[in-house]
Amino acid sequence: GAVVSQHPSRVICKSGTSVKIECRSLDFQATTMFWYRQFPKQSLMLMATSNEGSKATYEQGVEKDKFLINHASLTLSTLTVTSAHPEDSSFYICSANDPVGYNEQFFGPGTRLTVL
Amino acid sequence: AQSVTQPDIHITVSEGASLELRCNYSYGATPYLFWYVQSPGQGLQLLLKYFSGDTLVQGIKGFEAEFKRSQSSFNLRKPSVHWSDAAEYFCAVGALAGNTPLVFGKGTRLSVIA
Repeated sequence: GAVVSQHPSRVICKSGTSVKIECRSLDFQATTMFWYRQFPKQSLMLMATSNEGSKATYEQGVEKDKFLINHASLTLSTLTVTSAHPEDSSFYICSANDPVGYNEQFFGPGTRLTVL
Repeated sequence: AQSVTQPDIHITVSEGASLELRCNYSYGATPYLFWYVQSPGQGLQLLLKYFSGDTLVQGIKGFEAEFKRSQSSFNLRKPSVHWSDAAEYFCAVGALAGNTPLVFGKGTRLSVIA
């Protein structure tokens, strides 16, 4: 099956710094990728839809200036958390649509962000 | 509006007992349905999915689910639960056209007791 990777798997940073999370589709080209956020003991919350070569579409309530998304190629999307604060600590999960076949969505393993 | 309802927040079953986790959806287009499992601190693992055809689908780890269009349901079942099945279970619905994101339920936490 299609594989999606995320890097890093865990990151700890100081308040005020910026953190970049990479999401890669390893064996397929993804025109669309999605970024989700998951708080402890809660479900996944869609943050934004990332389309290759165009600006991301953010969900209501998600600060586009804090969560910068760049989908630079058909296999890579990045999420940058700018000037991170403790309330940004969360589990971030990306997914990518494989346009071949059923256009199925495949999920990355997630990135645990802790802001001190 | 598109939505997924998992009525049970937490279920406790005895090891070896049968399990059914409920999922109801509301979706405007033809739904494609998924069940994922998540262990603490881990990512999502796909248990099974329904796209079309036979409405009873088999998944990994001995799980199965049945799509009932008339009831807008996609319940997950397992005949005999193992202690290692303790985890969070998410039902999700999506459309495979138009690059739309999946809509997730709030999840059901499964505890398994001896």
